[in-house]
Amino acid sequence: DGGITQSPKYLFRKEGQNVTLSCEQNLNHDAMYWYRQDPGQGLRLIYYSQIVNDFQKGDIAEGYSVSREKKESFPLTVTSAQKNPTAFYLCASSIGQHSGNTIYFGEGSWLTVV
Amino acid sequence: KQEVTQIPAALSVPEGENLVLNCSFTDSAIYNLQWFRQDPGKGLTSLLLIQSSQREQTSGRLNASLDKSSGRSTLYIAASQPGDSATYLCAVRPEANNLFFGTGTRLTVIP
Repeated sequence: DGGITQSPKYLFRKEGQNVTLSCEQNLNHDAMYWYRQDPGQGLRLIYYSQIVNDFQKGDIAEGYSVSREKKESFPLTVTSAQKNPTAFYLCASSIGQHSGNTIYFGEGSWLTVV
Repeated sequence: KQEVTQIPAALSVPEGENLVLNCSFTDSAIYNLQWFRQDPGKGLTSLLLIQSSQREQTSGRLNASLDKSSGRSTLYIAASQPGDSATYLCAVRPEANNLFFGTGTRLTVIP
């Protein structure tokens, strides 16, 4: 089945550690996105990528990094510089950057700092 | 900056009722508006996408309307079922590369 796969579903991070969340899509979509969801708040954009080897910061990029070496993959690294990383992280994709395209989401990854 | 508000934050209805969820946004310069469903601990599922030039979209028991000039959208659910229980999110796209989300309405349909 076509879709977006995020892994792991649950991840625990110790203080000072970097962790990487995986996002893979087999929809042949050009655009990919990472959002963060906190209780009582709407989703906020961390990074997005319109095409391979290109990505742009979203509204809350500080403390995060991404890469887009392959069309189907857009991993997110939560660095030790992110002071409040505990949240639900959602990866998404769309056919392209065209404004009319539906955006599709993965099942999300829970990150907890211990 | 675009702000999206959804009222009410939570809603409980008996099974079989028709209901309306509301979404308002502050900047009417949008390309489209999308309604999503989110089950607890899960990702978002796209329900309906309305382009800025459209007034409404329908899918099964769902109907979404858009009044761009007044900054409002509604999601109408007909003959609600317990399986409709979820959080419903609306999001507006003011530019190609971002969506602005509301905080959602948590719907409970009571059997």
